[in-house]
Amino acid sequence: SYVLTQPPSVSVAPGKTARITCGGNNIGSKSVHWYQQKPGQAPVLVIYYDSDRPSGIPERFSGSNSGNTATLTISRVEAGDEADYYCQVWDSSSDHLRVFGGGTKLTVL
Amino acid sequence: EVQLVESGGGLVKPGGSLRLSCAASGFTFSSYSMNWVRQAPGKGLEWVSSISSSSSYIYYADSVKGRFTISRDNAKNSLYLQMNSLRAEDTAVYYCARDLGSSGSRYFDLWGRGTLVTVSS
Repeated sequence: SYVLTQPPSVSVAPGKTARITCGGNNIGSKSVHWYQQKPGQAPVLVIYYDSDRPSGIPERFSGSNSGNTATLTISRVEAGDEADYYCQVWDSSSDHLRVFGGGTKLTVL
Repeated sequence: EVQLVESGGGLVKPGGSLRLSCAASGFTFSSYSMNWVRQAPGKGLEWVSSISSSSSYIYYADSVKGRFTISRDNAKNSLYLQMNSLRAEDTAVYYCARDLGSSGSRYFDLWGRGTLVTVSS
């Protein structure tokens, strides 16, 4: 089945830009979705179809996808952005599996 | 208010069974495919199963195939997960999640708060 690879952790200072990557074989040919999960809470969709933002998600959150890497970018990082972030794709070739990356812990220094 | 509320979790012995429920409100439940997603303690998210709006299409992760059964009752705005032959590795918070997207891709736009299932003797 399809495998998504994320770095376990990313650290960034407040006000700077955080970039969280999600690697997969030719992932640029798939649509990538991103979720934010804070401790003790359910995940929240922050980016869908590579770069679309649901209503209520700040413009500071953006996404891109090309080649073998998709990237979630968080600009002007705030303390409240500290959370786990997961990428996800739909693998229609493999019994319609929804596949998640292993998750990245974003630490705001 | 648009929401999903899971129930039915608890402590069960290995080999036992449990049935989870998810009550939907605030939207037309019968129009959406639905999913179960789980998260073991301290681990990442794992998709478990999905069911189409009319129950015509059902899919499972290999890790639960043959042991878990997803179902829904659109008249009751409810989603279910029957879990049999439970193992220690099934211990997790189980989330109900609404499915959205096109034939090109699917994603989860609404999540419940989850219900904890613990499999232990």
